Amino acid sequence: EAGVTQSPRYAVLQEGQAVSFWCDPISGHDTLYWYQQPRDQGPQLLVYFRDEAVIDNSQLPSDRFSAVRPKGTNSTLKIQSAKQGDTATYLCASSLGRGGQYFGPGTRLTVL
Amino acid sequence: GDSVTQTEGLVTLTEGLPVMLNCTYQTIYSNPFLFWYVQHLNESPRLLLKSFTDNKRTEHQGFHATLHKSSSSFHLQKSSAQLSDSALYYCALTYNQGKLIFGQGTKLSIKP
Repeated sequence: EAGVTQSPRYAVLQEGQAVSFWCDPISGHDTLYWYQQPRDQGPQLLVYFRDEAVIDNSQLPSDRFSAVRPKGTNSTLKIQSAKQGDTATYLCASSLGRGGQYFGPGTRLTVL
Repeated sequence: GDSVTQTEGLVTLTEGLPVMLNCTYQTIYSNPFLFWYVQHLNESPRLLLKSFTDNKRTEHQGFHATLHKSSSSFHLQKSSAQLSDSALYYCALTYNQGKLIFGQGTKLSIKP
């Protein structure tokens, strides 16, 4: 069974630039999560979906961040105008029921 | 609110000695799911153990843990540490098939 896949694996931007991250969850997993993990910190939930519906986006900086999962499968997280404080690894995870979340390899973002 | 508390900071052990990382939790829900995740350097978190059954030992890859609802604990143990066990370990809680609540993480360092 293929795991969670993410792309790109790395991104380097100047402040003010936009970037999109893409996630393909494990087949059949109905719930998809986006986390931000700054260096030397634990994962912090940004948003999660069940199928195509947003369940919780309360931690998403809505003025610059957006996330969609239009068909309930793949998902895209976008940062409209990146800031240096956005430098972190962005992790996607998926789950089915209470079996636990399975993480993708992450996208390491550096904003200069 | 719900929370997870782990052994603080860095735990340094000599190879071959037993490992015990503490995890306690607080939740108002009577049927929480508890997880241990392991994160090696430059990798994403990987699910190590999970449990929702009171007083039942769960094992994987030499590690084991038992959920004790009476003491709200889910400590991670291994009988003999290996160099490859050096990593960050996160205990996490969920109750609604969604958001994971992570502890602050414990860094385990195994020395020869």
